[in-house]
Amino acid sequence: SQTIHQWPATLVQPVGSPLSLECTVEGTSNPNLYWYRQAAGRGLQLLFYSVGIGQISSEVPQNLSASRPQDRQFILSSKKLLLSDSGFYLCAWTQQGPDPAFFGQGTRLTVV
Amino acid sequence: AQKVTQAQTEISVVEKEDVTLDCVYETRDTTYYLFWYKQPPSGELVFLIRRNSFDEQNEISGRYSWNFQKSTSSFNFTITASQVVDSAVYFCALSEAPSNYQLIWGAGTKLIIKP
Repeated sequence: SQTIHQWPATLVQPVGSPLSLECTVEGTSNPNLYWYRQAAGRGLQLLFYSVGIGQISSEVPQNLSASRPQDRQFILSSKKLLLSDSGFYLCAWTQQGPDPAFFGQGTRLTVV
Repeated sequence: AQKVTQAQTEISVVEKEDVTLDCVYETRDTTYYLFWYKQPPSGELVFLIRRNSFDEQNEISGRYSWNFQKSTSSFNFTITASQVVDSAVYFCALSEAPSNYQLIWGAGTKLIIKP
C-alpha cells in the first residue's frame, strides 16, 4: 500500500534562517506531488505541484521554492525565512487523473 | 471559473444530533469530481469520499451520508448521531480535467461536537 512521509512534524526557526522540508511517497511510481500551506484557522493554499522529476509549477510567488530530485521525493525550501512563512505545511500525492489526494501528517513551522 | 463555497465557517452541536455541512460548487465542465476531507485536530487531512459528476446517487457510509444534487450544484455532507470524535474541520473540493485535476478547495467548516 502507498504511504507518505513528511518531516519534521514541528519546527521553530529564526527569521532569516534557511528551511528544508522533505516529503517522500512509498508504494507508487510517478505520482503528482503537492505542497500546501495552511495558515491558522484558514483554508488550504497550493504552493507548488510537480508532475515529474525536475518539473515544478509554482502557484503563488513567494519566498519559497520546491524541488523534486527523485520520483517520490519532494522538497520545500527557503533561503531566508520570513515571519509570514509561519504556518502548517502539508505534502500530498495523487496518481494521474482525478484520483483523490493523500496527505502527509504536516509540518507546523513557526518563524520567530 | 471553478469555485467551491462552504458558507458555514463553524457549526456547533451537541453530541447525538444530526448535522449537515453544505458545499456549493461552480464549474463549466460537464465532467468533474467532488471530494470531502476531514482534518482532525492532529492536522492530517483524511480523504472521505469522491463522487464524479455522472453519479448522482447518494452515498451512505455508516453515520456519514452525502447528497449530490447537480440541479443546485451542491454536495452536502450529513453526519447522523454525531460523536465528539467527529469534531474536525471538513473541506469540500472540486477537480476537473481542464485544470489537470488540481483540487479547488472550499474554505472549510469547523465542526464542534459538544459532549
